[in-house]
Amino acid sequence: QSVLTQPPSVSGAPGQRVTISCTGSSSNIGAGYDVHWYQHLPGTAPKLLIYGNSNRPSGVPDRFSGSRSGTSASLAITGLQAEDEADYYCQSYDSSLSGSDVFGTGTKVTVL
Amino acid sequence: QVQLQESGPGLVKPSQTLSLTCTVSGGSISSGSYYWSWIRQPAGKGLEWIGRIYTSGSANYNPSLKSRVTISVDTSKNQFSLKLTSVTAADTAVYYCARVGGWAVNWGQGTLVTVSS
Repeated sequence: QSVLTQPPSVSGAPGQRVTISCTGSSSNIGAGYDVHWYQHLPGTAPKLLIYGNSNRPSGVPDRFSGSRSGTSASLAITGLQAEDEADYYCQSYDSSLSGSDVFGTGTKVTVL
Repeated sequence: QVQLQESGPGLVKPSQTLSLTCTVSGGSISSGSYYWSWIRQPAGKGLEWIGRIYTSGSANYNPSLKSRVTISVDTSKNQFSLKLTSVTAADTAVYYCARVGGWAVNWGQGTLVTVSS
């Protein structure tokens, strides 16, 4: 059972904006630990989308953006494209779990 | 460009030990401020962090798996390994190794391990 909660699914039409929330607690996001986001397509390795709450690695389109506030973080995808249909996971660190990295529950993005 | 590749048996019998190795190429496992992690994904479920190891040999594990997991590193071979004892069908998953610098910078392609008699 993950300590980071995400909505199971979000959907949007091409060109629209969708957001994915990642809700934690005072021992992870709320303690100031960074949040990172990954895109996961079936049969492939997860791909880093956002690191350090809001930074994009080279090659990731600026349609993807991240933010953190309080005990939560969010990933926004603007100008939704068919290729964005995938699973998305947040990841952080939790001080109450013997220094564990933790993943969110995952969100399936569907492009209508 | 650092690349990671998982290897090991794809089928393990219940109650036995799952053993996987991750071979790092394109760079030294000892260079940079990274640690090395194992992550898994059971079919139809989300990603689960298993544990991490530093090249010093210090390791941390997911509390839910801690009693059964050991991660080790062999810097001379540029490899790190995972052992998971007393496996059950619930341990059937795609297992990934990753290079982590706070965030998982590089991932292996993943290897499916099925626990079945």
